[in-house]
Order: sequence, then structure tokens, then C-alpha cells
Amino acid sequence: KNEVEQSPQNLTAQEGEFITINCSYSVGISALHWLQQHPGGGIVSLFMLSSGKKKHGRLIATINIQEKHSSLHITASHPRDSAVYICAVPKSPFPYSGAGSYQLTFGKGTKLSVIP
Amino acid sequence: DTEVTQTPKHLVMGMTNKKSLKCEQHMGHRAMYWYKQKAKKPPELMFVYSYEKLSINESVPSRFSPECPNSSLLNLHLHALQPEDSALYLCASSLLGHETQYFGPGTRLLVL
Repeated sequence: KNEVEQSPQNLTAQEGEFITINCSYSVGISALHWLQQHPGGGIVSLFMLSSGKKKHGRLIATINIQEKHSSLHITASHPRDSAVYICAVPKSPFPYSGAGSYQLTFGKGTKLSVIP
Repeated sequence: DTEVTQTPKHLVMGMTNKKSLKCEQHMGHRAMYWYKQKAKKPPELMFVYSYEKLSINESVPSRFSPECPNSSLLNLHLHALQPEDSALYLCASSLLGHETQYFGPGTRLLVL
């Protein structure tokens, strides 16, 4: 079973700051997910990445498969970025078999508050 | 259309009621999921349907009954729930397993 650790648990930043959220996992995977959840809201999938780096607007996600580590960066943070950011990885090690390919293990989330 | 819709948004029910949650997607995804999320906790997987067949049931009590009438629709039938079942119920879909999961906005359920 894959174990996921996210840090920090809580993060407060001033508007405009560069933010980094980290995620480590214990077993080899083919891809990792970054998700965003606003207070009281549903979940938005931000990235699924298996190597290198992906960028979408002010969000950048990187992954190092060998070190079993991923980071989510937010440049020029804004109060609307305030949300919980969740890292998720497949529950079983790669290669997946059958039902194992559907199950994700979620990190506990990082609660980000960006102050104007 | 990259959207998963869920109805209702909010639901209050008594312990003797029968109600249903509905989830719909028109992205051609063949995997659909039900998750339960308590406050300040990550989502917990309840059920997975793959090609309209139940492929995973994470030991969910029988008072929750999933149904997948077709490839676009997923229901969760609720009967005789307990107050501790109050939570946000999230539906998700993906093209196949180990692909990006697209989540709906959730149904916030309160059991009195």
C-alpha cells in the first residue's frame, strides 16, 4: 500500500508570494495527481503527471520518480488560490492489476490561505 | 464538455427516509466512482464502476446501494442512514483506471 506524506499541513502567505507544497510517497507509481478543493466545494483535478514538469497558468507541478517526490508551486499567489491542495497516488505499486488501477491514496492535504 | 454534475447539492434526510444521489457525465468515461468525505479529511473511496459493472466495493454498509443504469449515469441509493453518514458525497469519473479523475461538486448530506 502506498503511503503519502504532504507538507506543510497549513500555509499562510501574503498575496504575490511564491508557494511550494510538497508530496512524498512510498511505492513506485506511474503518475501522481494534484487536486484542489475550495472550502465547502468539490474537487478540481489540477495535474496528473508522470515525469518532469507541467505548467498551467500560475501553477507548476514537478515530479521526481526516482526520489518519489513531487512539488506543487504557485507563482504570484492570489487570495483566490486559498484552498486545500491534495496529492494523490495509486494505492498499489506500478504495474497495476485489475481493480488496483482505480484506487487512489490521498494525502491529508495542505490548507493554503493567501492574505491580500 | 468536461463536467461531472451531481444532484442534489444539499440533502437533509431522516434515518427512516429513502433518497437517491445522482451523478452524470458525458465525457465518454467508462469508470465512475463514489467517494465520501468528512470535514477536514481526504475523500474515502466507496464504490467503483467500470464499464457499468461494480468492480470495487470498499466494504460499504448495505444502507448505501450504488447503481449504474448506463455509461453516463451513476446513482447512490440511501436507506436507513445514520447521523454519522452525514458527509460530502463526491462522484468522479475517468476514461479508464489510472487516468485523471474528474470530480463533481458533491452532495452535502445531513442525516438527522
